[in-house]
Amino acid sequence: GIQVEQSPPDLILQEGANSTLRCNFSDSVNNLQWFHQNPWGQLINLFYIPSGTKQNGRLSATTVATERYSLLYISSSQTTDSGVYFCAVLTQGGSEKLVFGKGTKLTVNP
Amino acid sequence: DAGVTQSPTHLIKTRGQQVTLRCSPISGHKSVSWYQQVLGQGPQFIFQYYEKEERGRGNFPDRFSARQFPNYSSELNVNALLLGDSALYLCASSMTADGNTIYFGEGSWLTVV
Repeated sequence: GIQVEQSPPDLILQEGANSTLRCNFSDSVNNLQWFHQNPWGQLINLFYIPSGTKQNGRLSATTVATERYSLLYISSSQTTDSGVYFCAVLTQGGSEKLVFGKGTKLTVNP
Repeated sequence: DAGVTQSPTHLIKTRGQQVTLRCSPISGHKSVSWYQQVLGQGPQFIFQYYEKEERGRGNFPDRFSARQFPNYSSELNVNALLLGDSALYLCASSMTADGNTIYFGEGSWLTVV
């Protein structure tokens, strides 16, 4: 099945710093989503981005489907950005099955 | 509008017992999926239901079952609980079954002792 790899696994930043999270996937996809999981466990959908670039405030994402990777940019990080960021891709074949990477754990210190 | 709601939020069960977890999708959403997330890992797909029919099943034993009701709410049942079933169980909903933006609930934390 499709493999999703995220890097780095852990990232520690000072408030105000910028960061880039990467997601590589092993097969072509037509659906890729980025999620933020807060310390209480809830997954918040950040972007639905099968290709191209999107921006939402301090966050932006770019997916280059032909090269099988996606990037999540966080600018001017805040302590509330802390948590785990997951990339997930939808498998082909009839069911709405998301395959998740192992996540990047981000810690933003004041 | 309410988001995806799940109950209970936390529960503790003994090995061998059975558990039922409940999920109400966002109003208007007809697709419900269930995921299991163990500590330190990404969520793993268990089931997807759309219009009350099973659309997909992940690599989980037959002890795991689910169903979707006419109002599109869903239940996940796990029989003969094992210690390894301890995890966060997440429910997700979407409007259609074709993988557009998917919304997750806050999850049910299950501890098996």
